[in-house]
Order: sequence, then structure tokens, then C-alpha cells
Amino acid sequence: QVQLQESGPGLVKPSETLSLTCTVSGYSISSDYYWGWIRQPPGKGLEWIGNIYHSGSPYYNPSLKSRVTISVDTPQNQVSLKMRSVTAADTAVYYCAGPFSISWYGGHFDYWGQGALVTVSS
Amino acid sequence: DILLTQSPSSLSASVGDTVSITCRTSQSFSNYLNWYQVKPGKPPKLLIHSTSSLQSGVPSRFSGSGSGTDFTLTISSLQPEDFATYYCQQSYSTSLSFGGGTKVEIK
Repeated sequence: QVQLQESGPGLVKPSETLSLTCTVSGYSISSDYYWGWIRQPPGKGLEWIGNIYHSGSPYYNPSLKSRVTISVDTPQNQVSLKMRSVTAADTAVYYCAGPFSISWYGGHFDYWGQGALVTVSS
Repeated sequence: DILLTQSPSSLSASVGDTVSITCRTSQSFSNYLNWYQVKPGKPPKLLIHSTSSLQSGVPSRFSGSGSGTDFTLTISSLQPEDFATYYCQQSYSTSLSFGGGTKVEIK
């Protein structure tokens, strides 16, 4: 059974860097699929952050690209998210999800983590 | 970027009703549209992928259709557990995007 679990600090100060890790079990992230990060601010909709493939370049939401880095640690079967220079607007529940088709077109997120609430506040 | 516009943004319905949610896209494509269900405090759940393919384990009262720029999620015989928020998502562009969501509430 595929399981994803996000982990990381629940509170980040403004202007600092948000760091989250997604540990995947029951599926190898070295397989031919993308893995993604999506967030949902309180009371708002879903926003895609980016996708990564274990041996390729990541794709990012253009509106976040300048502040985001997504990476993989294949030995640990983990996907990580770093978001720099955060503000209160980055307060959200952050989800990792996958696997997402390597062909991209028609890709969808079959499995999701439970989500990690990150609050940006001093 | 592809913009997805869902309508209505919310609706009220009764158990047993049939409801339809529309997702209009700013670019035309086929088969690259997915639907998710979100309940408070829970992660999104994939319902429909590739416009009309029912995800394994999802009840058959959920169905999807459409092409071009207009796509529809239909829930037949609404059940108490179906009251939630629904989102469409496109995977045609390398910049993925979600619709704004449709909240289905109990009348």
C-alpha cells in the first residue's frame, strides 16, 4: 500500500525558508513517475507547487518558481520542498502526492499525504 | 497558463439528488482533466481521471464527461458522504492547475 507522510516545522518566521520532507512507502520514487507538492491555504483552493522526477528537472508553478526548490533523495525514498522568503500568504496545508505519469499528459495524483500545516508568523 | 473556472462555486442539494459541476478551461484539450473530492481535515481524493475514467474504489454514482473546453462532474443520487468540495485539475500544460472548487452543501 502506497503511503506518503509529510514532515517538517509547523511554524516558520517571515522571510525565512520553509522546509518539508515527504517520505514515500510502498512505492519506489526511483520508478518512472513524477512526485508533486500541492498546498491549500486556509479557506482557499488547491494550488500546485511543482513536480519532480528522480532523474529529471523539476517543473514548478511559474508564480512560485523563483522561491521554490524540489529535490529527491532516492536512497531515503523522500521528496523535499524548500520555499524561500516566506510570508503570511504562504501559510497553508502542504501536501505531497503521486505517482504522476511520466508522460505528463493525463497525469493525476493517485495518492496524497495527510498534509502538513505550516504557519508563517513571527 | 491554463485557467480552470468551476461553476457553480457552491450548491445546495438533498440526499438523492443528481448534481453537476462544470469546469471550463481557457485552452481546448481532451482527456487531460481530473476531478478530486476534498473534505475538511482530509487530503484530496482522486475521483475521476482522464475526463471520464472512474478511479478504483470510487462509487459508480460519480461520472465525468466533456471535451474541448467544457468538462462536467456528475454525482447521481447524492449520498450524505458526498457533501464536500470538488476540484478539477488539468494535466495538459507543464504548469498544472486546479479549478477554484465547488462546495456541495446539504439543503
